[in-house]
Amino acid sequence: DAKTTQPPSMDCAEGRAANLPCNHSTISGNEYVYWYRQIHSQGPQYIIHGLKNNETNEMASLIITEDRKSSTLILPHATLRDTAVYYCIVISNSGYALNFGKGTSLLVTP
Amino acid sequence: DAGVTQSPTHLIKTRGQQVTLRCSPKSGHDTVSWYQQALGQGPQFIFQYYEEEERQRGNFPDRFSGHQFPNYSSELNVNALLLGDSALYLCASSLRRLAGGRSSYNEQFFGPGTRLTVL
Repeated sequence: DAKTTQPPSMDCAEGRAANLPCNHSTISGNEYVYWYRQIHSQGPQYIIHGLKNNETNEMASLIITEDRKSSTLILPHATLRDTAVYYCIVISNSGYALNFGKGTSLLVTP
Repeated sequence: DAGVTQSPTHLIKTRGQQVTLRCSPKSGHDTVSWYQQALGQGPQFIFQYYEEEERQRGNFPDRFSGHQFPNYSSELNVNALLLGDSALYLCASSLRRLAGGRSSYNEQFFGPGTRLTVL
């Protein structure tokens, strides 16, 4: 599975959009981009995933560049409860093991 | 739907002892994966069980073993505990889909974890 690179930490004001970047320049054609988050003292939570098209669900939007070498997770209106570590993971459609890496620690401030 | 449940929530053991952790998957899920998360690190994949067999394994020694039961629940066993085994152990369940004869990945649902402390 391709390696990902994320900033170690980010801040966001409550009510603003949080844009979390991820680089995955070695991604292969059959590999998906998955995002998970982990709120302190809880298990990771699935957020969204995509292959090449942009995706949106009730939690977030995922923007994948045309060359698929990077992506951005967007939380449109961040709340204090969105404070968590966010993990960008690249995995093939037959893969089983999530490689979490270090993730981005997002702090949403009042 | 109770989601993924794990027991116990906390556990304290001493070096050399053995421990068994338990996991019940989300209703309808047939696949269970186990992860170890050391303090300040992301979760690390231990192994995955499907149809009562270990299907894939991460870089963990044979001291780590597991089992899956016919009702899809799972156990993680760790023998000869070391101080370095102190961590949060996470169980994740998923549903393996077959598309065109190939398995495909689905999103994994995680339990709250078992906090193991080895003294």
